[in-house]
Amino acid sequence: EPEVTQTPSHQVTQMGQEVILRCVPISNHLYFYWYRQILGQKVEFLVSFYNNEISEKSEIFDDQFSVERPDGSNFTLKIRSTKLEDSAMYFCASTKRGLAGNMNTGELFFGEGSRLTVL
Amino acid sequence: AQTVTQSQPEMSVQEAETVTLSCTYDTSESDYYLFWYKQPPSRQMILVIRQEAYKQQNATENRFSVNFQKAAKSFSLKISDSQLGDAAMYFCAYRRAGNNRKLIWGLGTSLAVNP
Repeated sequence: EPEVTQTPSHQVTQMGQEVILRCVPISNHLYFYWYRQILGQKVEFLVSFYNNEISEKSEIFDDQFSVERPDGSNFTLKIRSTKLEDSAMYFCASTKRGLAGNMNTGELFFGEGSRLTVL
Repeated sequence: AQTVTQSQPEMSVQEAETVTLSCTYDTSESDYYLFWYKQPPSRQMILVIRQEAYKQQNATENRFSVNFQKAAKSFSLKISDSQLGDAAMYFCAYRRAGNNRKLIWGLGTSLAVNP
C-alpha cells in the first residue's frame, strides 16, 4: 500500500542552523501539507501546497520557513535559522483530488513524522 | 473560525470493555468531514474513522464507530471490545469539504487500556 515517507526520523541541531525535512508524498496525490506537534500539545497546521505554490500558510509559517517540491517527488520543509521553540514533531501529509474535481474523500495520509530537536 | 474541542484529556478502559471519547466542534459550514486519528507511541498519525457531514448514517470501522450529531455538532468515538493495542492518543479533527483544506485538530485524548 502506498505511503508517505519522511526523512530523517530524528534530527538534532544547534540553534541558528538550517534544517531541511524531506517528504515523499504518495505518487498520485496533488495536495501536500506540513503540520507540527510540539510535545504534549495539539497538532498545528503550517502550510499547504498545490500546483507548485503555497495555497495557505499559518501564522507559524514565517519567513524562516519555506517549502518546495524540487523534483516532482520530494516535498521539503526548510527552516533557515532554527530556534529552540522549533523543537517538535513535523508531519508531512498528502491527499488527492476528488473524482468530482472539487471534492475529495477528505482523508489526509500522514508520514511517520520527523522529530526535530533544537539545542 | 472552526474549532474542535476534546474535553477529556485522559481516559482509561478495561480490556474488552467499551469506551467513548467525546468531541465537539464549531463551524458555520454545512459540508465538511470529521475524523478520528490515532497516535500510538510510535507517533505516526493513523486514520481510525471518517464521517462525511452530509451522511446521516454513523460511520463504523470494525470495533470503532461514531455517534455523529450534526445539529449538536458532536462527534464521539466508541471503541468496543478494547484491546491493549488501542492505547494511544486520539485526536478529533475537522476539515471543510473541497480540495486543499487544512485539518483543524482537537487537543487529543490519551487512552489507557488496562489488562
